[in-house]
Parts: sequence; C-alpha cells; structure tokens
Amino acid sequence: NAGVTQTPKFRILKIGQSMTLQCTQDMNHNYMYWYRQDPGMGLKLIYYSVGAGITDKGEVPNGYNVSRSTTEDFPLRLELAAPSQTSVYFCASREVSFGAGETQYFGPGTRLLVL
Amino acid sequence: QKEVEQDPGPLSVPEGAIVSLNCTYSNSAFQYFMWYRQYSRKGPELLMYTYSSGNKEDGRFTAQVDKSSKYISLFIRDSQPSDSATYLCAMTAVQGGSEKLVFGKGTKLTVNP
Repeated sequence: NAGVTQTPKFRILKIGQSMTLQCTQDMNHNYMYWYRQDPGMGLKLIYYSVGAGITDKGEVPNGYNVSRSTTEDFPLRLELAAPSQTSVYFCASREVSFGAGETQYFGPGTRLLVL
Repeated sequence: QKEVEQDPGPLSVPEGAIVSLNCTYSNSAFQYFMWYRQYSRKGPELLMYTYSSGNKEDGRFTAQVDKSSKYISLFIRDSQPSDSATYLCAMTAVQGGSEKLVFGKGTKLTVNP
C-alpha cells in the first residue's frame, strides 16, 4: 500500500511552459485535493474532487486545471507557468467516513521552480 | 480578521520541556479540529483530530479545544528532538452544502538535545 504518490519530486520550468503534476492514491479514497505551500504561508487549496468526474475550485485555482477520470488519479495542470507559481505542491486524499473528521493523507510533495 | 490564526514561531525548547502550540479561529461553524506534523521536505501527517470541546490525549500529545473561546491547543509533554517539525492546525466546517477546510500557517518547533 503506497498511499499517495506524486511525480516529479522537483522540476524547474521556464516562464510560459506547461506541465502536469501527477498524483495517484491506492487507498480507493473518493476525496482528493491539491494544495500549494509557500514559505510561512501554510497550505492553500487549489482544487479538489469528491469522486471521479467531479472537480471543484478551491481558494487559489487561477492558473491551474485538474481532471479526475479515475478514482486513483488526480493530475494538476499548469498551462502557462509564472514565477508566482513557484511553490511546493501537495496532493492529498481522504476516505469519506462520517464522523471521522478530515483524516487526510498527504503525498511527499512536488517542488516547482519557475524562472 | 483571518479565519485561523497561528503563531508561526519559531519555537525552540530544550529536550524534556512541555510545549504548547495554539491556534485561534473566528468562524463558529468549524466542527472538526486537527493537528498535523510536517517534517522538513515532507508532506503533512495527521497527528490528532477532535470534534468536541475538551481534551484528547494520545501518548505525549494532548489536543485541547475550547469552542466558547474559539481556541485550540496542542501540548507535547517530555518533548524529544524527534518532535522537531512544523505543526499545522486545521479545522473544517460544512457551509452551503460543501466542506471548508482551513489550515493555520504552521509553527516551527525545534527541540534541542
């Protein structure tokens, strides 16, 4: 059971380039999330999904897109990279369990540098 | 006023000290309260969660919630160098049929041997 995996671990992009951050979970969780974490700024929600085919915007969705064609995968797409998107990106998943609260499992993160 | 306020620290304590980490919040709709631990260059991991006012204990860790004061705390007893990490509080509310999850900015803790 690998949990939540993310690729790549680190990437340098030039301004205007595009890339996809991959996220896969093997726990059959319905809920999946993408966060970005800037130094000293905590975690900000970019997009989330409550199941295959269903996605919704979080707090900071501009400049990003997502898709959820399977339960396992939740890729995050950056179309035109900007320096403001330099950050650490975390994917997370959660089992929908009534009364259990937000027991989220996080991936190891992808460090993105846009120059 | 921000929805969740957390003192970013940094906090440096000697080994064996009692550590107190705190968050305040302004939205009375928050129902679930969590503490995450994040080691350097790693993803956050859930440490404790609770949904009622009072204390919840797990080993050396105690989570405290005071809904009347909108205040949550995490206490670490007999702190160890391995506790050195950033601690993030988080809380959730259900509003308008959708969930809202908000994280604090995190407090960086260093426990010195």
